[in-house]
Amino acid sequence: KQEVTQIPAALSVPEGENLVLNCSFTDSAIYNLQWFRQDPGKGLTSLLLIQSSQREQTSGRLNASLDKSSGRSTLYIAASQPGDSATYLCAVEDTNAGKSTFGDGTTLTVKP
Amino acid sequence: NAGVTQTPKFQVLKTGQSMTLQCAQDMNHEYMSWYRQDPGMGLRLIHYSVGAGITDQGEVPNGYNVSRSTTEDFPLRLLSAAPSQTSVYFCASSSQGGRTEAFFGQGTRLTVV
Repeated sequence: KQEVTQIPAALSVPEGENLVLNCSFTDSAIYNLQWFRQDPGKGLTSLLLIQSSQREQTSGRLNASLDKSSGRSTLYIAASQPGDSATYLCAVEDTNAGKSTFGDGTTLTVKP
Repeated sequence: NAGVTQTPKFQVLKTGQSMTLQCAQDMNHEYMSWYRQDPGMGLRLIHYSVGAGITDQGEVPNGYNVSRSTTEDFPLRLLSAAPSQTSVYFCASSSQGGRTEAFFGQGTRLTVV
């Protein structure tokens, strides 16, 4: 059974800092890994999708890496802003068709 | 440009009542799934479907039924609501083989009293 762990559970940083969120998974047989953002009371918004054959993806100030063999992914946020405050979730999609397993998320607070 | 649409957004049920949460997507995605999210936790998979006529159980299927008669729709039925089913429910869709990102609805906040 796939298990996904996110560390830390919560993170508070001053504005402008660069930061890294971590995600680890137990079964490397995945189609992809996806990072999501969730604002309080809202749905999930996809940030970055990394296919199993890829090593990283970038979008603006965000960079996500994937090391499938070690079962790890990181989400790097550059020059953090108060608007980045949210919960960040990672999810891995099973090669066994259509099943995604989520971590519990990291709640990020960026202080002005 | 609708994406994934869930209805209703909020619902209060009495213990023992039944209801159906609706989910529709307009992206012709093969895969659809239902998750529940409880406070302080990630999302747990309830049921999923890889195409019309095909459904399977996820991690927490008890108390829920699904069907997939069309590609677009994937309703979730609560058979006899229990307080333990108080949660936020999300529907998601994606294309086959994980080629594209998963799209999520805005969620249904369900309270069972």
